[in-house]
Amino acid sequence: EIVMTQSPATLSVSPGERATLSCRASQSVSSSLAWYQQRPGQAPRLLIYGASTRVTGIPARFSGSGSGTDFTLTISSLQSEDFAVYYCQQYNNWPPNTFGQGTKLEIK
Amino acid sequence: QVQLQESGPGLVKPSETLSLTCTVSGYSIGSGYYWGWIRQPPGKGLEWIGSIYHSGTTNYNPSLKSRVTISVDTSKNQFYLKLNSVTATDTAVYFCARHSGPYGYWGQGTLVTVSS
Repeated sequence: EIVMTQSPATLSVSPGERATLSCRASQSVSSSLAWYQQRPGQAPRLLIYGASTRVTGIPARFSGSGSGTDFTLTISSLQSEDFAVYYCQQYNNWPPNTFGQGTKLEIK
Repeated sequence: QVQLQESGPGLVKPSETLSLTCTVSGYSIGSGYYWGWIRQPPGKGLEWIGSIYHSGTTNYNPSLKSRVTISVDTSKNQFYLKLNSVTATDTAVYFCARHSGPYGYWGQGTLVTVSS
C-alpha cells in the first residue's frame, strides 16, 4: 500500500498571501496524483489531477506540481473561500486508493 | 450533469449491517467508470472503502474486505454498500463517488452512526 503524507497538518496564512502545501508518496506514483478541497460540511471537490492539470472551472490561482514522490499544491493570493482542508490522493497503484491525512488551511 | 445521492439509515446498531444506496443521475452507470464508496469519521480524513467497475468487478480496501460488499444495479442506475458486523469505529460520513483515477463526482455524503 502506498502511504501518502501531507505537510504541514495545519497552515496559517493571511488572505492575499501564497500557500504551499506538500504531499509525499511512500513510493513513486508517477504523475497520478490528485488534489481535493473540502469545506466544512461538504464533499471533497477535485481541484487538480495528473499532478498539475486543473479541473475546468478551478481558478488559476490553484496550481500543482511534482512527480514521482513529491508534490506541491500552491494557492497564490488566498481568497476567503480557499480556507478549507486539502487532501492529496494517489491513483497510480490501486487498490487501495490512498489519500493523505489532509492539510487544514486556516486564516492567520 | 452527473449527480450522486446517498441514502440509507442514519443509525445502525453494533454488530448489525450498514446498508447504503447511491443513486446516480445524469450518467448511466453501465456506460463506464468506477463507482466507489469513501468514508470520513467525524473530524478525520478520507478512507477508501471500495469500488465497483461498471462491468461488476469489485475492489475493496484490504482493511475492510472481510466485511464489505459493493454491488450495482444498472437498471436502476444505483450501486450499493453493505458493511457487516459494524462497531462504533464505523461511525462516519459515507460518500459515494464516480472515478477513473481521480474522483470527479461526489455525493453530498450521509452520516451513519453506530450506536445501540
